[in-house]
Amino acid sequence: ETGVTQTPRHLVMGMTNKKSLKCEQHLGHNAMYWYKQSAKKPLELMFVYSLEERVENNSVPSRFSPECPNSSHLFLHLHTLQPEDSALYLCASSPDRVQETQYFGPGTRLLVL
Amino acid sequence: GQQLNQSPQSMFIQEGEDVSMNCTSSSIFNTWLWYKQDPGEGPVLLIALYKAGELTSNGRLTAQFGITRKDSFLNISASIPSDVGIYFCAGQEIYNQGGKLIFGQGTELSVKP
Repeated sequence: ETGVTQTPRHLVMGMTNKKSLKCEQHLGHNAMYWYKQSAKKPLELMFVYSLEERVENNSVPSRFSPECPNSSHLFLHLHTLQPEDSALYLCASSPDRVQETQYFGPGTRLLVL
Repeated sequence: GQQLNQSPQSMFIQEGEDVSMNCTSSSIFNTWLWYKQDPGEGPVLLIALYKAGELTSNGRLTAQFGITRKDSFLNISASIPSDVGIYFCAGQEIYNQGGKLIFGQGTELSVKP
């Protein structure tokens, strides 16, 4: 595997479910990101991790909980989501936080019913 | 929050035509990036620009970092059907906002064979 991978690619969940999105990067990068992409809107940065430490949380509701166990893996834990949370969730990585040429994964298409 | 103004929002062109899109900002950036996103996929980095006035090509794509550091453009020559997708610019300020990457709203390109 090369680049940035994300699983699952598609997810349908009810509002009471708990699920997790997984991201893995094979680029040796030190920074990882979660973005939300809704239709007709710019990418919204959710979380930034640098060397496994969360360095930014852009006022994201607590029903989204990130986890970065090591510099290659990033998770987004989902709990009691709302229908308006339906979107494409993108993971990205970059060599470090200062030089942010980011490389994206294919995304997880999430539908909350 | 800070925004990039990307235009046009959409383009409908004939195969073989040249395409031009641009992004402008009210503040100075140190990096400009151009991405392409296919439906259901994550953005793929096309060109990265790190120096004012820099002109960089990637096949039929050419991008320039504006001399004022507040704008960038992307040209696609002799378009083909596989150029269809959404093109995003992104800019980074290193000295403000912790080097956060700011994305444009995207330009949706349609190519008629």
